[in-house]
Amino acid sequence: ETGVTQTPRHLVMGMTNKKSLKCEQHLGHNAMYWYKQSAKKPLELMFVYNFKEQTENNSVPSRFSPECPNSSHLFLHLHTLQPEDSALYLCASSQVKQTTDGYTFGSGTRLTVV
Amino acid sequence: KQEVTQIPAALSVPEGENLVLNCSFTDSAIYNLQWFRQDPGKGLTSLLLIQSSQREQTSGRLNASLDKSSGRSTLYIAASQPGDSATYLCAAPNYPGQNFVFGPGTRLSVLP
Repeated sequence: ETGVTQTPRHLVMGMTNKKSLKCEQHLGHNAMYWYKQSAKKPLELMFVYNFKEQTENNSVPSRFSPECPNSSHLFLHLHTLQPEDSALYLCASSQVKQTTDGYTFGSGTRLTVV
Repeated sequence: KQEVTQIPAALSVPEGENLVLNCSFTDSAIYNLQWFRQDPGKGLTSLLLIQSSQREQTSGRLNASLDKSSGRSTLYIAASQPGDSATYLCAAPNYPGQNFVFGPGTRLSVLP
């Protein structure tokens, strides 16, 4: 499988649940990103990882916890979320933490918090 | 900090028309810009990555231009088709070499 794969595609969780989003890329890229897309809002950058190291946390609440065990995998651990966290969560990757070669996105995980 | 805007927010055209989508950015010290397409509820598909040295990039019926001096990029779609209906987003680097900042998108509807 090629490109950037996100699982699950859809997730419904209660506010007391703990769940994780997964992103995997088969492009040999070294930088990975989490973005949040809420209705009628521009894409918001959440986290950036470059060679497994977190290089940016865009003031994201601690109920979102990223993990990057290697350059091919990125997780977003979720706990005690709020209904306003319902959104499309998108993962992207690039060759390195620069925009030189552009970004490749996954299909996203549609998260609903009830 | 880079800010990206897109005009118009929404556009509806009959099939077969040529159209132009606009993207403006505040920090012109960039060396590339990327255009994406997003279908409802889906991820982003890269359309064109245009380098400042190129000024223009073409793929099929799509043509993107980049004018750093005016802080603008345009996406030209020739002979539009209903399958072109989607939201089109542009992204410019926050500052040279750093992460992309996205515009709010233009929602395009091409009517049969």
